[in-house]
Amino acid sequence: DTEVTQTPKHLVMGMTNKKSLKCEQHMGHRAMYWYKQKAKKPPELMFVYSYEKLSINESVPSRFSPECPNSSLLNLHLHALQPEDSALYLCASSQVSGNSPLHFGNGTRLTVT
Amino acid sequence: AQSVTQLDSHVSVSEGTPVLLRCNYSSSYSPSLFWYVQHPNKGLQLLLKYTSAATLVKGINGFEAEFKKSETSFHLTKPSAHMSDAAEYFCVVTPGGSQGNLIFGKGTKLSVKP
Repeated sequence: DTEVTQTPKHLVMGMTNKKSLKCEQHMGHRAMYWYKQKAKKPPELMFVYSYEKLSINESVPSRFSPECPNSSLLNLHLHALQPEDSALYLCASSQVSGNSPLHFGNGTRLTVT
Repeated sequence: AQSVTQLDSHVSVSEGTPVLLRCNYSSSYSPSLFWYVQHPNKGLQLLLKYTSAATLVKGINGFEAEFKKSETSFHLTKPSAHMSDAAEYFCVVTPGGSQGNLIFGKGTKLSVKP
């Protein structure tokens, strides 16, 4: 089991739906991340929060909207997604130090129909 | 510019034989290097990390890696493969500094035959 918990594990949504992915960690990490992973590819960075403030947005379309309500929680709000957005969405956390390893959750498998 | 190259997209070994997964990196700075493992439909789990201390790094599940600056390599090894080692392995480099600035290799799929 990982120390980063993601819900739901699976999500199927239509292109007009609004849904949210949730991530929680209690390791005291102050950096949190969203990654997108397509099949047979490495994860791609989407967003980074540092001390609950958005520090990196890797030119992600606005249909993905991150939120960090507190130091333990990270959300990803989804709206008007496209079928090509179907992927495994991974949350991770780390200490803020630049060379600290990331701790990943098990991901949410998203299918957009 | 920083980059990481995993030299094999797929490695197949028999159970009980040694494992070698190769990784070469390029970095303008003193890098930190990691190996992660990903089992099917799971997240990434940290196997080991190198952060400029000992060049031979021991990780979980019997894996280890040796940082060789002269060869710019960080190969992952295990003396004896187990069926449960079958997974995707990612070599990752970070030059440090900017948070989240991880550079992933393309991954190596390890198959273990009984």
